[in-house]
Amino acid sequence: ETGVTQTPRHLVMGMTNKKSLKCEQHLGHNAMYWYKQSAKKPLELMFVYNFKEQTENNSVPSRFSPECPNSSHLFLHLHTLQPEDSALYLCASSPDTSGEAYEQYFGPGTRLTVT
Amino acid sequence: GQNIDQPTEMTATEGAIVQINCTYQTSGFNGLFWYQQHAGEAPTFLSYNVLDGLEEKGRFSSFLSRSKGYSYLLLKELQMKDSASYLCAVRDSNYQLIWGAGTKLIIKP
Repeated sequence: ETGVTQTPRHLVMGMTNKKSLKCEQHLGHNAMYWYKQSAKKPLELMFVYNFKEQTENNSVPSRFSPECPNSSHLFLHLHTLQPEDSALYLCASSPDTSGEAYEQYFGPGTRLTVT
Repeated sequence: GQNIDQPTEMTATEGAIVQINCTYQTSGFNGLFWYQQHAGEAPTFLSYNVLDGLEEKGRFSSFLSRSKGYSYLLLKELQMKDSASYLCAVRDSNYQLIWGAGTKLIIKP
């Protein structure tokens, strides 16, 4: 248990569906992150929120839409995805984004399959 | 561009020692992290190096040479539960983490 939870753990969706991934952290952190993890590839940072404000958007297609209503919750809204979007989506949190020694705490991920 | 290199896969024997190397080329340097990730689970933090030298934490140690852009993770007295992927990540000048693809470590009895 890292203090970061994600739901659902597994999701299968068609290319025309709309779904949302949810992340919640119980650590009192101010920064939250979405990552994409594909087999044998480095973690890809998608979005960063610090104190509920989006500070990074790493050229992510608009079919992925993040939402951060407060510092404890982060959503990733999905629509009209492509099969190549199938991957493990990891949420992480840290005290903030600029502390040198701050490690990130990860949730268990959502395994997404787009059919 | 920014790049982190680590071996794709390594195999070692239970009770032995293994060293996982990581080399990096990044825009600036604000620390290097090692994470462990068991299959189907979240990455978990193992170690952090920002100054040159060796950091020891029980059976695990991590070494950094900033001038060489090089780090290694040393695992001693290997146990079967150490079978996992080990991820190297460097924090660049913008405090963004740049990740390697991970090294899958297989422990054999």
